[in-house]
Amino acid sequence: GAGVSQSPSNKVTEKGKDVELRCDPISGHTALYWYRQSLGQGLEFLIYFQGNSAPDKSGLPSDRFSAERTGGSVSTLTIQRTQQEDSAVYLCASRTAIGAEAFFGQGTRLTVV
Amino acid sequence: GQQLNQSPQSMFIQEGEDVSMNCTSSSIFNTWLWYKQDPGEGPVLLIALYKAGELTSNGRLTAQFGITRKDSFLNISASIPSDVGIYFCAGQGIQGAQKLVFGQGTRLTINP
Repeated sequence: GAGVSQSPSNKVTEKGKDVELRCDPISGHTALYWYRQSLGQGLEFLIYFQGNSAPDKSGLPSDRFSAERTGGSVSTLTIQRTQQEDSAVYLCASRTAIGAEAFFGQGTRLTVV
Repeated sequence: GQQLNQSPQSMFIQEGEDVSMNCTSSSIFNTWLWYKQDPGEGPVLLIALYKAGELTSNGRLTAQFGITRKDSFLNISASIPSDVGIYFCAGQGIQGAQKLVFGQGTRLTINP
């Protein structure tokens, strides 16, 4: 597809389980962001990948959160030992190397029960 | 770190009214972006601003990049029901590789 694709669209998991969220950016986009949005809240920055540079992980809330970007394309956000406070919509966005305009996916709604 | 203050947090208006919202920062930005988010969707880019003083329109939407490079506003004229949603400003710092920083959002509700 032409846009940013995220999967799954919804995920319900039990507290303590690990989850993996996937993001397929727009082809050719070298920069990729992950944000978290709690219900009715703004966008909380998590992590930023730009080309081959070391990722900016300054927004990851704890060491239970990690992300990878393989081959400069697909990215996976992993949350280990999920907690109820991890419940939120996780949004991925991508952009070109030059422009600032980022394009978002539909998000993954994570519910930890 | 860089922060954006977006106001107002929410607006309740009548259909047909004009809307104005703004973002301010203590830091200089070289790009300002405005997004709209509908329920259950990801944010969609509305307008991008790249130069101080730039005024850009997209239909009934008009946005400006402040002269000081520390603020931006978004106006919506003659609001219609489909304008309902959450509007976010975002800024990118003076170094091109920096991440986008988002405002807290303005929730727009329109009474028919």
